[in-house]
Amino acid sequence: AQSVTQLDSQVPVFEEAPVELRCNYSSSVSVYLFWYVQYPNQGLQLLLKYLSGSTLVKGINGFEAEFNKSQTSFHLRKPSVHISDTAEYFCAVTATGSSYKLIFGSGTRLLVRP
Amino acid sequence: NAGVTQTPKFQVLKTGQSMTLQCAQDMNHNSMYWYRQDPGMGLRLIYYSASEGTTDKGEVPNGYNVSRLNKREFSLRLESAAPSQTSVYFCASDDYDRGFTEAFFGQGTRLTVV
Repeated sequence: AQSVTQLDSQVPVFEEAPVELRCNYSSSVSVYLFWYVQYPNQGLQLLLKYLSGSTLVKGINGFEAEFNKSQTSFHLRKPSVHISDTAEYFCAVTATGSSYKLIFGSGTRLLVRP
Repeated sequence: NAGVTQTPKFQVLKTGQSMTLQCAQDMNHNSMYWYRQDPGMGLRLIYYSASEGTTDKGEVPNGYNVSRLNKREFSLRLESAAPSQTSVYFCASDDYDRGFTEAFFGQGTRLTVV
């Protein structure tokens, strides 16, 4: 079985500052990893994904994440945030084998202040 | 291209009432899912359907039933609603069995049980 831990429930940051949202996972098998963003009262939108290949993954809106197998981490980063990045961010994992199920972390609310 | 469409968007039920949440996808995906989202808990899988004609329990199936009506539609039924089922419900679909790339989510149904 897989599990996901997002260590920070809320991350406040000033506009134009860098940000890192942390995600650690647990799995006994190989996994796919995802970051989704949810703006207020909306559904989930995929930011980026790691399926295979390069461990540095670039996504939409200037976000990137690095898959670290030894640390079982998939932290999300952005070098300079905007007010419009204020949202909730979810890390998710699914096994590459026969599992059809996405396992989500509890979410991190990014609050960007002017 | 509509993607994943959920109806209704909002619903208020009285304890003991029943209702069906509808979900349809137009991406020819085999796999469909129902999640619930509660504050501080991320998204939790209720039921999923790996293909037309099959359904399986997820993490929190109690109090729910599902029907995979055809390849496009996957409905979630609450037979006797309880206040603990107050939540935001998301339907999703993906192409896991054909080379998974990502899951696509609907806009959600906000359900309140009073």
